[in-house]
Amino acid sequence: AAGVIQSPRHLIKEKRETATLKCYPIPRHDTVYWYQQGPGQDPQFLISFYEKMQSDKGSIPDRFSAQQFSDYHSELNMSSLELGDSALYFCASSSRDGNNSPLHFGNGTRLTVT
Amino acid sequence: GDSVTQMEGPVTLSEEAFLTINCTYTATGYPSLFWYVQYPGEGLQLLLKATKADDKGSNKGFEATYRKETTSFHLEKGSVQVSDSAVYFCALRDGNKLVFGAGTILRVKS
Repeated sequence: AAGVIQSPRHLIKEKRETATLKCYPIPRHDTVYWYQQGPGQDPQFLISFYEKMQSDKGSIPDRFSAQQFSDYHSELNMSSLELGDSALYFCASSSRDGNNSPLHFGNGTRLTVT
Repeated sequence: GDSVTQMEGPVTLSEEAFLTINCTYTATGYPSLFWYVQYPGEGLQLLLKATKADDKGSNKGFEATYRKETTSFHLEKGSVQVSDSAVYFCALRDGNKLVFGAGTILRVKS
């Protein structure tokens, strides 16, 4: 079965550079979520989109922005990168089914800021 | 806000031992509950879920029962294998997002 696709798998950037992470949800999933996982940490919710509109916002820095496109894929844009932004960034998708739908996660993008 | 508390790890077991990883939650309303597993270098995989009180989720020999009276969702497996070594996250669905526990590292020795 098709899964959530994230690209790139690994990304190395320098401080103050920008980065764009892409996420392609499971077909027919209309909701996309972004999470950040630091080393040895649990995933922290950043932001979610439903039908191309932001549906919830977590601990996303103002330097980051995201959007969902008409084909439901999503991009996370990160500017003025800092060393502390080094982490694993997960995208997840689900169908809109109240609180019952599990989130299906991609394999993540490992961002290293040097 | 809603929260999830997991037992601290790492949990180290010998092969074929019985596993319990405790998980309790705090939530308003009646959230769905999940266990996710993360193998080294990989993403989060859904292990099992339960959507209402007394539901039992099960998969690959793992089980967890949604206990509303104790607000718990403990993960159990009767006989662990080396291949079960991973990080296990308990989570609840809070509206448009999942809230995760801190994760429990499981190490199974042969």
